[in-house]
Order: sequence, then structure tokens, then C-alpha cells
Amino acid sequence: AQSVSQHNHHVILSEAASLELGCNYSYGGTVNLFWYVQYPGQHLQLLLKYFSGDPLVKGIKGFEAEFIKSKFSFNLRKPSVQWSDTAEYFCVAGSNAGNMLTFGGGTRLMVKP
Amino acid sequence: EAGVTQSPTHLIKTRGQQATLRCSPISGHTSVYWYQQALGLGLQFLLWYDEGEERNRGNFPPRFSGRQFPNYSSELNVNALELEDSALYLCASSLEGWANQPQHFGDGTRLSIL
Repeated sequence: AQSVSQHNHHVILSEAASLELGCNYSYGGTVNLFWYVQYPGQHLQLLLKYFSGDPLVKGIKGFEAEFIKSKFSFNLRKPSVQWSDTAEYFCVAGSNAGNMLTFGGGTRLMVKP
Repeated sequence: EAGVTQSPTHLIKTRGQQATLRCSPISGHTSVYWYQQALGLGLQFLLWYDEGEERNRGNFPPRFSGRQFPNYSSELNVNALELEDSALYLCASSLEGWANQPQHFGDGTRLSIL
């Protein structure tokens, strides 16, 4: 069965600190990977996606993620966080079989001003 | 461009009743997905509709069902409601039915079972 695990449930950082959120997935076949973000009071939004090609993908708002196939990982990074990055972040895996998305448990990021 | 819209925002029912949740996808999107976000269980895939047909369903009992209309809007029906059905139900839509099309989410319907 496919699964996605996120290493941290809660992360607290100060502004300008660097961010790395861990994500590991377990999938039997070809996998598409996403990071979604949910800002307070808003709906889930796509941050970035990986389907194939360059394993380092860049998303919106300065976020990037690296797909490491050998480690089944898709970690999210940002060099310098801002207070406005306070949100919940979800690592998501999708397969071409059935179009279903499998969500990780989410990581709540709080950035202190 | 209008996003995915869901109604109602909140729904309160009692055990044994039936609930109907509605979703309108982004204009031009033909695939609609339903997810359940129950407390402590995270987001779980429920159903996928594309071109009016159910294409896939998650590990949920048959009392969770739905349909997609010719205008691509969708309904999720939950029969014989149980207390553990209390959750946020999210609808998402995407262009066509390919897994590499990102899904766009609505704000959800919060279903509370008393």
C-alpha cells in the first residue's frame, strides 16, 4: 500500500532561518510528488510538483524540493523563511493508477517574527 | 477565475440520517475528487469522478457514494451517518483525468454528526 510520512508534526523557526521539511514515500510504481500548503483560514494550495526530469523542482514563494529516488524522499526547503510562511505543509504522492493522492500527516510550521 | 466551490460550509446531522455535499469544479475541469479529513486521521482519498463516471474509490464503505453531473459538478452522499463520519470533506478538481494534473481544492464542508 502506498504511504507518505512526514518527519515533523510541528516546526517552530525564527524569521530568516532555513527550512527543511522531510518527506518519505512508499509507492510501487511511477509516482508523482507534490507539496501543498494550507495558510490559516485558506484552502489547500499547490506549492510545487515533481513528475519527471530535473529532481530539483522550484515552486512558488522561494520554495524548492529535491526528489531523491534512492531514498524515496521529497524534502521541502526554503533558504530563509518569513512570518507569512506560517502554515501547514503536506507532502503528497500520486500515482497514475487511479489518480488518487496520498497525503502525509502534515507539518505545522510557525515562523516567529 | 473562480476556484472550487463547496456547499454547504457546515452541516449538522444526527446518526442514521443522510447527508448530501455539493461541489462545483473550476471551469474547464472535468475531474472531481472527494477527500475526508477526520480528526487524527489526516486527509484520505474517497472518490474520483471523471466525465460523469466513478473512476476510483478509496477504502470507504458503500454508504459513501456520489455522482457527477453533465456540468461536471458533483455530489457526495453519505447514508446511515455514524459518529465517526464527522469530518471535513474536501472536494478537488483537475483538468482531465491524468495524475500529473494538479488538483485544486475547495474550502470544504464540515460535517458534524450528533
